[in-house]
Order: sequence, then structure tokens, then C-alpha cells
Amino acid sequence: DGGITQSPKYLFRKEGQNVTLSCEQNLNHDAMYWYRQDPGQGLRLIYYSQIVNDFQKGDIAEGYSVSREKKESFPLTVTSAQKNPTAFYLCASTSGQGAGYGYTFGSGTRLTVV
Amino acid sequence: AQTVTQSQPEMSVQEAETVTLSCTYDTSESDYYLFWYKQPPSRQMILVIRQEAYKQQNATENRFSVNFQKAAKSFSLKISDSQLGDAAMYFCAYRSALFYNNNDMRFGAGTRLTVKP
Repeated sequence: DGGITQSPKYLFRKEGQNVTLSCEQNLNHDAMYWYRQDPGQGLRLIYYSQIVNDFQKGDIAEGYSVSREKKESFPLTVTSAQKNPTAFYLCASTSGQGAGYGYTFGSGTRLTVV
Repeated sequence: AQTVTQSQPEMSVQEAETVTLSCTYDTSESDYYLFWYKQPPSRQMILVIRQEAYKQQNATENRFSVNFQKAAKSFSLKISDSQLGDAAMYFCAYRSALFYNNNDMRFGAGTRLTVKP
């Protein structure tokens, strides 16, 4: 079955450490997105990519980096510059064929700073 | 930038009863899509229903229906015959139909729905 796989489900980061969250999709979707979810704040866009080898900053990109070397993969790195990284991270994708398709989401990664 | 507002952080409903979740949005665009997503305790986001702004008829999916008021910029979700499995966080979302925008989806802060047996 087609879908989006995020791994790991839970991740613990030490202070000053970079960590990478994986997002893989087999839906043949062009566009992929990373959102951060905090209690009471909904989903906020970190980065998005509409095509391989191209990506754009979202509203809260500081302290994060991404790459899009393959259509299927859009990993997110949380760097040590992100001062408050504890949150739930969601990856999403959508077909590039129109705005009405909505997003397909992964099951998320819970990142905790220890 | 478009904003989406869900003014009810929490709602509760008795099993088998009907509940309405509110959503308002701010935009200067005329062509867009609106969505309701459900996030159960598993935290998997599930698309519940979508509405195109140019369609006057309100969307319906089984027990879920919307009341779309374009002039008022309102998009409420009605859940009929509520079931225990409806308990979740519900997010309202907006997406511009204009290609030259970045075309990402804007989400409200969410409404947590509790269903009482």
C-alpha cells in the first residue's frame, strides 16, 4: 500500500546534537512538507519541496535543514541551533496536480531533548 | 498571509448526539480549498472532508458535513450520531488554489473533541 513512512517514532536528542528525521513516500507525489506540532498551536510549516533538488523555507525554518535528493525522500535535520526542538514532527506529501487533493501525512516523530 | 482560527479549544458531545466545530479564516482570494482533518490519539492525520470555495453545495461524507459560508469566511464541521471513535483533535485547514503561491496548507490551532458514552 502506498503511504508515507516516518522514522523513528520517538527520538531523543542531547543538547548540542544534530538529529535527522526520516520521511519516505511511495505515492509518487511531487511535493513534500515538514510541519511542527506544538500543543495549542496547530501545525506550523518548517520546510517544503515541490521538486527534487529544490526546497523552500516555511514559517519556522530557523534551526532546521532539509534535502531533497530523491523524489521519495525528504529528511529533516534538527540542528543544535534550534533552541526548543521538543515537539511532534509531521511529514506530508501531495500530488502536484491541484490544490484540492489535500495532504497525505506520515505517522509523525516525537522529538525530545534530554 | 491567510490565517485559520478555531475558537473552540475543546468540545464535548454525548454519544449519538450531534456536535458542530467552528472554523473561520481570513483571505483575500476567491479560489481556495478548505479541509477538516482528524487526529486521533494515534496522531495519524486523517482527511475528513474537503470543500472547494467555488462550489456552493456543502460537502458531506457520511456522518460528517460542513456549513460553508463564503461571505462570512466560515467553515464549520457537523458530526452527526457521534461515536466514541470520533474522539480526536480536529484541524481546519486552508489551501490556496493559486499556483504562484507557495501553495502550502494553513492550519488552525485545533479543537479537541471528547465523546461521552
